[in-house]
Amino acid sequence: EVQLVESGGGLVQPGGSLRLSCAASGFTFSNYWMNWVRQAPGKGLEWVANIKQDGSEKYYVDSVKGRFTISRDNANNSLYLQMNSLRAEDTAVYYCAKDLDYDNVWGSYNFDYWGQGTLVTISS
Amino acid sequence: QSALTQPASVSGSPGQSITISCTGTSSDVGGYDYVSWYQQHPGKAPKLFIYEVSNRPSGVSIRFSGSKSGNTASLTISGLQAEDEADYYCSSYTSSSTLVFGGGTKLTVL
Repeated sequence: EVQLVESGGGLVQPGGSLRLSCAASGFTFSNYWMNWVRQAPGKGLEWVANIKQDGSEKYYVDSVKGRFTISRDNANNSLYLQMNSLRAEDTAVYYCAKDLDYDNVWGSYNFDYWGQGTLVTISS
Repeated sequence: QSALTQPASVSGSPGQSITISCTGTSSDVGGYDYVSWYQQHPGKAPKLFIYEVSNRPSGVSIRFSGSKSGNTASLTISGLQAEDEADYYCSSYTSSSTLVFGGGTKLTVL
């Protein structure tokens, strides 16, 4: 059974940093693009970033470029999101999401499994 | 990258059909057949219902179908059921190798 379990969320002051983790199991993690998607309270979904199977390609939404870094550890089946210079508008539930396609050179940008999410709150 | 445009809400009675639209630009919806639809119940993670415009993942009911014309994609749900009441989001690959979601549509089954 595929499982994605996020952790690392919490309350942080503006300008602070946080590192989110996503522990994956039930599939060959190293064969899939992985993504972070967020959802502000009461709002819609926003794609944040993705990373290729070997970590060689990463893409970000404009609003987080230069502040957030996505990374992965295939040996430990883990996905990460390092978030720096946090702003109030980064407050959201952050989901880890698995790409649909196995061993796709290009990410399919379709997400067939999602974690339960971890809440990040940026407030003074 | 601006969010794709969806109606804020739609409604229908059990057994009826409804369609949710998703309008973008030639740089996203109109330029690629990489439009997906997700269903999200309150407090739950989204679930993939349609990918690549009209494909259904295993386990998704045939009552759900997708299509696209120009810069607008559509999700049609036929034979509405109470369990279909949820939020629905479209998404599209973009020319910047990113993904953009729609603002979401709340479906109410009357």
